[in-house]
Amino acid sequence: GESVGLHLPTLSVQEGDNSIINCAYSNSASDYFIWYKQESGKGPQFIIDIRSNMDKRQGQRVTVLLNKTVKHLSLQIAATQPGDSAVYFCAETEFNKFYFGSGTKLNVKP
Amino acid sequence: NAGVTQTPKFRVLKTGQSMTLLCAQDMNHEYMYWYRQDPGMGLRLIHYSVGEGTTAKGEVPDGYNVSRLKKQNFLLGLESAAPSQTSVYFCASSYSIASRQGKNQPQHFGDGTRLSIL
Repeated sequence: GESVGLHLPTLSVQEGDNSIINCAYSNSASDYFIWYKQESGKGPQFIIDIRSNMDKRQGQRVTVLLNKTVKHLSLQIAATQPGDSAVYFCAETEFNKFYFGSGTKLNVKP
Repeated sequence: NAGVTQTPKFRVLKTGQSMTLLCAQDMNHEYMYWYRQDPGMGLRLIHYSVGEGTTAKGEVPDGYNVSRLKKQNFLLGLESAAPSQTSVYFCASSYSIASRQGKNQPQHFGDGTRLSIL
């Protein structure tokens, strides 16, 4: 999951395994959610998004699940690769304001 | 594809100095944003703009000013730099809700400006 603080939670997975990264959002009125990937020294990169009228959305090797009842968002990465190592964070938005989590560091072991 | 370009990439300032960070986007986006990212924290919104000639305050606007004289550029100014402003600054842009059938659009980010204030 994500937390505010100096130390990011870390998820370590073996290459080829599936990864699940979780995010708890705060605003029940948020209607649009995004997952970003941030590699060291780079800006956040869009991965996948989902609107509040959906529960699940799939992309290439990634799936986002949205549970509005408990205000929970998850990112599933299939067959995790070394290139997936990065910090992943979610964003929620209402109208044109975005709110970002602090992120989870994904470490892929070869 | 250039996308969002930030200059400079790195800068070291002394307390009290001023500087301007430049953000340029070539995607014809209406919205532009400035964030700061500090260790272990989420991106925090400094100022944003919903169109040319408009700006608005975000979550942490104190000590910063912005201008959007042209649609493609969004400038962030530090009038009198303080050590607390040491951070990584990210610019982002997106289409407006109005231009995309009333739907939010993802933000596209630059690669950041790493700023140290001594």
